[in-house]
Amino acid sequence: DTEVTQTPKHLVMGMTNKKSLKCEQHMGHRAMYWYKQKAKKPPELMFVYSYEKLSINESVPSRFSPECPNSSLLNLHLHALQPEDSALYLCASSTQKFSGNTIYFGEGSWLTVV
Amino acid sequence: KNEVEQSPQNLTAQEGEFITINCSYSVGISALHWLQQHPGGGIVSLFMLSSGKKKHGRLIATINIQEKHSSLHITASHPRDSAVYICAVKGGETSGSRLTFGEGTQLTVNP
Repeated sequence: DTEVTQTPKHLVMGMTNKKSLKCEQHMGHRAMYWYKQKAKKPPELMFVYSYEKLSINESVPSRFSPECPNSSLLNLHLHALQPEDSALYLCASSTQKFSGNTIYFGEGSWLTVV
Repeated sequence: KNEVEQSPQNLTAQEGEFITINCSYSVGISALHWLQQHPGGGIVSLFMLSSGKKKHGRLIATINIQEKHSSLHITASHPRDSAVYICAVKGGETSGSRLTFGEGTQLTVNP
C-alpha cells in the first residue's frame, strides 16, 4: 500500500465554521506534511510532523491547527478561515523528515471558503 | 531569481513526440524529485535522483550535479501524459532539508 488518503476531496465552508481535513497513510512513514497550493503555483509547506510531534510550523496562522493522533493519521483543523485560504491542501509522507527517500502525496482536499 | 527554475513553462506537443523538460537549481542539494500533477490535484512522485540517470517506462530523468541541472524526458508522448511536471530539490542539512519547488511545466499532448 503506497497510498496517502485524504478526505474530504472537496470542502466548502463559511468563515465562521469549524471543519477538519484528514490524512491517512499505512506505509509506516514517520514524517507527515501539510502543504497548501494555490492555482498555478507550487505547493507551500505548512507543517511537518516527525514521529507524531510537530517539527516545523512555517508561521502558519493559528486558524489552521494541525494534529497527529497517531503515526498513521494527520488532521488539519480549520476555524474562522478567510476567503484567501481557499486552496488545494495536500498531505504527504516520507520515511523520515525530509529524508532522501521518495515522498508520497495524497490527492489533496480542495477547500473553498465562502 | 528562484532557487529552482524550470523551462519551458508551457509545452504543447503532438502525440508520439519526444519531450524534454529542464530544471536548473542554484543551491547545493542532496536529492532532486520530479513530480507529476494532474488537474484533479494529486501529485505523483516520478523520480528521485541524486546522481546519474533513471528510467521508468517511457520516462527518463537525468541529473548533472556539477552543472546543477536535471532533465525529464518523455518518449512517445501520449495525451494521458498531459499534466503539470514539477521539479523539487531537497537541500542539504544547512538549509533545513526542505523541498524547494520549481514553478512547474504545463504539458499538453494533443492526439
